[in-house]
Amino acid sequence: KAGVTQTPRYLIKTRGQQVTLSCSPISGHRSVSWYQQTPGQGLQFLFEYFSETQRNKGNFPGRFSGRQFSNSRSEMNVSTLELGDSALYLCASSPGLNNEQFFGPGTRLTVL
Amino acid sequence: GESVGLHLPTLSVQEGDNSIINCAYSNSASDYFIWYKQESGKGPQFIIDIRSNMDKRQGQRVTVLLNKTVKHLSLQIAATQPGDSAVYFCAERTGGSYIPTFGRGTSLIVHP
Repeated sequence: KAGVTQTPRYLIKTRGQQVTLSCSPISGHRSVSWYQQTPGQGLQFLFEYFSETQRNKGNFPGRFSGRQFSNSRSEMNVSTLELGDSALYLCASSPGLNNEQFFGPGTRLTVL
Repeated sequence: GESVGLHLPTLSVQEGDNSIINCAYSNSASDYFIWYKQESGKGPQFIIDIRSNMDKRQGQRVTVLLNKTVKHLSLQIAATQPGDSAVYFCAERTGGSYIPTFGRGTSLIVHP
């Protein structure tokens, strides 16, 4: 069974731009969570989607948004990029809520 | 590969030694704890978990110890191998919440 895939793996943007990251969960998994990982703050929860609905949200500004499609694939969007948004963005999928999460390799976003 | 923690505590051991990685958590209401391993260029990978009604749980070459009195969690790796070199994170979750809170991580370096 294929693991969680994330595209693109690397991305360079400039301040003020917006970006969309994509995550394909493990087949059959209906829950997708997004995390931001930085050296300074570590791993921080962004949001979780289940059955196309956002179920939980972390403490991030409204510039960070996401959605989930009927096939459980998920996208997250960051608008008006800031230098501090440079990070590794990780997606994790699980069969349902409150299950073990399986992480993808991440998308490395660099904001210049 | 990805550098996920430029300012992490580091534990250096010789191959074959036993390793102990420690984690202090902050929320006394946390009732579920997970250890993850993150290798360079990859997302975190589940190692072992423990619920708050236990104080010890063993897996293959790994043991997790939980001391709720001092809010301390440790991961013991027996006969450490070069392939164990990675960053190790603990995560805590509170009953009713699906959102884990991650520790800062410890970088384990295993010398052949």
